[in-house]
Amino acid sequence: DGGITQSPKYLFRKEGQNVTLSCEQNLNHDAMYWYRQDPGQGLRLIYYSQIVNDFQKGDIAEGYSVSREKKESFPLTVTSAQKNPTAFYLCASSGGRVPYNEQFFGPGTRLTVL
Amino acid sequence: GNSVTQMEGPVTLSEEAFLTINCTYTATGYPSLFWYVQYPGEGLQLLLKATKADDKGSNKGFEATYRKETTSFHLEKGSVQVSDSAVYFCALSDNRDDKIIFGKGTRLHILP
Repeated sequence: DGGITQSPKYLFRKEGQNVTLSCEQNLNHDAMYWYRQDPGQGLRLIYYSQIVNDFQKGDIAEGYSVSREKKESFPLTVTSAQKNPTAFYLCASSGGRVPYNEQFFGPGTRLTVL
Repeated sequence: GNSVTQMEGPVTLSEEAFLTINCTYTATGYPSLFWYVQYPGEGLQLLLKATKADDKGSNKGFEATYRKETTSFHLEKGSVQVSDSAVYFCALSDNRDDKIIFGKGTRLHILP
């Protein structure tokens, strides 16, 4: 079955440590996205990539980094520079063909900083 | 800039009640509109969409009509079930890039 996988589902890290969240898709989608979800704030875009080896900052990119070396993969690194990293992180992808560019989401990773 | 405003929750209803979740938008041109649903602990799933004025999206008993004159895309269901308890997000794409703008979400509780 085609879809998006994120791992791990739950992640704990100590303050000052970098951590990488995995996102893989087998939908052959060109575009991929990372969102952060906090209670009562909806989804906020961290980074997105429309094509391999290219990505753009979203609304809250500070303290995060990404890479897009393969079409299927878009890992997100939460660095120690991110001041409040505890949140639910969602990865999404889309075919990128406007105007029907609906996004498909993974199950999410819940990151907790101890 | 583009934006989506949806009614704040939580919304609490009894089973079989009629549901309306209001959504209005601000956008240039002719955006595509979406409703997504998020069940506890999961990612978002597309519930329905509409890509032009007067289109009606529908799925699983939910409906929403793209009203350009009122810049609205209200979500409705005639008879809700306990299993409909979730967070619902209204969203738009202005169709000029690959980004979608999401509302803040409305939490829905259905009581048996």
